Amino acid sequence: DSGVTQTPKHLITATGQRVTLRCSPRSGDLSVYWYQQSLDQGLQFLIQYYNGEERAKGNILERFSAQQFPDLHSELNLSSLELGDSALYFCASSTSPGVAGGPGPGELFFGEGSRLTVL
Amino acid sequence: DAKTTQPNSMESNEEEPVHLPCNHSTISGTDYIHWYRQLPSQGPEYVIHGLTSNVNNRMASLAIAEDRKSSTLILHRATLRDAAVYYCILSIDSGGSNYKLTFGKGTLLTVNP
Repeated sequence: DSGVTQTPKHLITATGQRVTLRCSPRSGDLSVYWYQQSLDQGLQFLIQYYNGEERAKGNILERFSAQQFPDLHSELNLSSLELGDSALYFCASSTSPGVAGGPGPGELFFGEGSRLTVL
Repeated sequence: DAKTTQPNSMESNEEEPVHLPCNHSTISGTDYIHWYRQLPSQGPEYVIHGLTSNVNNRMASLAIAEDRKSSTLILHRATLRDAAVYYCILSIDSGGSNYKLTFGKGTLLTVNP
């Protein structure tokens, strides 16, 4: 158990709809990362938040948005869903952008993922 | 972004050492080398990371070439539970000590009993 909680575990919806995925980081972790894993693209970095602020952006579509709340949980909103958005969405957390005493993200703790199926 | 190159798959026998290679010829001075693994139906799991010196922890060892253009993850005694996809990743500094990890396709490790 990584300590990172993601809900829902499974979600089935239709094209054009909007869904929200939720992530609770490990206690004390200030950074939250979102990744998308599909069969053909592998693990794609979407976005990172640190203590409520966006810190790094990856291949996140304009139809997707995220935020991190004061209690440090994060939500990933996916709208105007398309068939190609079907994937596993992982959230990860870490203590800070850098490890103590040096740069680098240190260890990321991943949740078990939310499997989204768009029909 | 600096990229890594790994073999698509490797096989090992149980209780034998496994050396998983990774090439990262375009690595820059501030890029850390990370290894994660993903077991079936689970999220990725941290294995080890380093910058220049070789690193050891309870899971594995990381051997980094002197020019840092390649590295090798060493599992000293493979078990069936080590069967997973292993990702070699560079953490890219996107400015202001903001690092992101960009995963590649990884190496699928099969461990034979």
